[in-house]
Amino acid sequence: DAGVTQSPTHLIKTRGQQVTLRCSPKSGHDTVSWYQQALGQGPQFIFQYYEEEERQRGNFPDRFSGHQFPNYSSELNVNALLLGDSALYLCASSLPGNYGYTFGSGTRLTVV
Amino acid sequence: EDQVTQSPEALRLQEGESSSLNCSYTVSGLRGLFWYRQDPGKGPEFLFTLYSAGEEKEKERLKATLTKKESFLHITAPKPEDSATYLCAAAGNTGKLIFGQGTTLQVKP
Repeated sequence: DAGVTQSPTHLIKTRGQQVTLRCSPKSGHDTVSWYQQALGQGPQFIFQYYEEEERQRGNFPDRFSGHQFPNYSSELNVNALLLGDSALYLCASSLPGNYGYTFGSGTRLTVV
Repeated sequence: EDQVTQSPEALRLQEGESSSLNCSYTVSGLRGLFWYRQDPGKGPEFLFTLYSAGEEKEKERLKATLTKKESFLHITAPKPEDSATYLCAAAGNTGKLIFGQGTTLQVKP
């Protein structure tokens, strides 16, 4: 049974560029949450998608946006990248209202 | 505002030396308290869910407990393979899962 799959695993971008990260949830899960984890810190909630709509959002600017597709996969888009956006971006999937999240291994984004 | 704080930030133990990790939480309408393990460069791996004060869960050398304000992760006779970052998270009425900053545990042989 495949867990959560994220791509790419690593990415280097230049300040001001845009990036798209992808996530395929665990089989049977239809809710996807995105987290940003800076080095040495705990994951910070970005937003959650269910039924192709953003249901919850954390304290992140509008530069961070997302999408969920009919097959429950999801994308995280970040525009106008800043050096401070360098982090591990984690995708987690779950059933609605269930917090037993399954996390992917993350995408390591470096902004130079 | 919901908040989760973990202590200590880092912990070094000798193999076999038992200890506890602390997680203090301030969450409106607690729906669950969660413990995860994270290895370097990997995503968090689910360990336990606790729902109400007094509840306890065990898995191998780990035991998690919950009070109305804190949760503890007790590690009994740890082994080097227990070395990792342990994350605590809480979910409340907002529906968001809020994480603490983690405790990095190093167990030396």
